Amino acid sequence: QQQVKQSPQSLIVQKGGISIINCAYENTAFDYFPWYQQFPGKGPALLIAIRPDVSEKKEGRFTISFNKSAKQFSLHIMDSQPGDSATYFCAAGGGTSYGKLTFGQGTILTVHP
Amino acid sequence: ETGVTQSPTHLIKTRGQQVTLRCSSQSGHNTVSWYQQALGQGPQFIFQYYREEENGRGNFPPRFSGLQFPNYSSELNVNALELDDSALYLCASSFRAGNTIYFGEGSWLTVV
Repeated sequence: QQQVKQSPQSLIVQKGGISIINCAYENTAFDYFPWYQQFPGKGPALLIAIRPDVSEKKEGRFTISFNKSAKQFSLHIMDSQPGDSATYFCAAGGGTSYGKLTFGQGTILTVHP
Repeated sequence: ETGVTQSPTHLIKTRGQQVTLRCSSQSGHNTVSWYQQALGQGPQFIFQYYREEENGRGNFPPRFSGLQFPNYSSELNVNALELDDSALYLCASSFRAGNTIYFGEGSWLTVV
């Protein structure tokens, strides 16, 4: 019940294209869904997060879509740039577990110039 | 910059030894969590400290232990190191009532 499943494992996109990464969760107690971006040798950096009271949240080129009934959420990166090349992790947390996140397996995004 | 600082950044230990990793949380954050990230994997929750007490633990053995100090900084101790303990250890801080969690850059531990 604690799993978060992320797909695809890797993604190659051309510059200017849209990158889409999907996640599914099982625990209905989760009420906080962040996305983290991680560059090699660095810690995860918070990118954008959503709570289940909204179905979409947009910050610049990054958008989270959330489907509570399907227990799925996704990250869309519009106008993808080579600098976006990194590993992206979805995570889920909340309920009574303040500060504890369950992470997906990660998606390696490569944006070709 | 998240304001979460960790030390040391890299270290190499021998199997069976003990290691202590340190973390200073972001200003105003009273909760510290530790995560282990193996190569090519997502971070795995080890445990969390709030008000100097352990407040939740993941699926890690007792040889993983920690401390939180009155200034909210924290230590992660690992005894009897095993080869599989080789990983990036991440400290994360948050404010108790919220869920926005910020990570440090991590400490790379290699066990040989």
